[in-house]
Amino acid sequence: DTEVTQTPKHLVMGMTNKKSLKCEQHMGHRAMYWYKQKAKKPPELMFVYSYEKLSINESVPSRFSPECPNSSLLNLHLHALQPEDSALYLCASSPDDRGLEQYFGPGTRLTVT
Amino acid sequence: GQQVMQIPQYQHVQEGEDFTTYCNSSTTLSNIQWYKQRPGGHPVFLIQLVKSGEVKKQKRLTFQFGEAKKNSSLHITATQTTDVGTYFCAGIFGNEKLTFGTGTRLTIIP
Repeated sequence: DTEVTQTPKHLVMGMTNKKSLKCEQHMGHRAMYWYKQKAKKPPELMFVYSYEKLSINESVPSRFSPECPNSSLLNLHLHALQPEDSALYLCASSPDDRGLEQYFGPGTRLTVT
Repeated sequence: GQQVMQIPQYQHVQEGEDFTTYCNSSTTLSNIQWYKQRPGGHPVFLIQLVKSGEVKKQKRLTFQFGEAKKNSSLHITATQTTDVGTYFCAGIFGNEKLTFGTGTRLTIIP
């Protein structure tokens, strides 16, 4: 199984809402990532979890809060987002924390109104 | 921070023609990876190059890593409509995170 799954596929939320994005992998990978991708741009790294611990936070605003409940799951909690946060949010995993060979999920397309 | 540039930004080719995208870094890379993202899709890992001067092939795709480990290229022979998408290189500097290149968007004229 080389699949990374993400839910929901689409999300529309208001600026006062609280929502969560979910990501799951069953490849035994020990590193998981959150990326943000704007239209026609490359993915931008937000967070890296290595062996279930947060290892990289790319100076992401606190309205984005990651969580790694176990080695297969990764969540991204959203609160008080801004319209400019609208983007495709991608989850990825890789065998270890060296950033090699990352497998991406299909993404959650987020619209903040 | 470290940057990885790709050229061209866009490429339109007639079906059956060849296509090449180039990736350049100002500093040495530990390795380079290539990803393909179809329109409306997500990045899909294609290959990883680690050694200086390394060349790898996947059917019609040829990947090269420069001798100085600062540049890379992806060449597609005889493009097909299924090759449509954005091709990203992504490099690792030392032990740092993966940095994506700016991408090359390929469109095919049937």
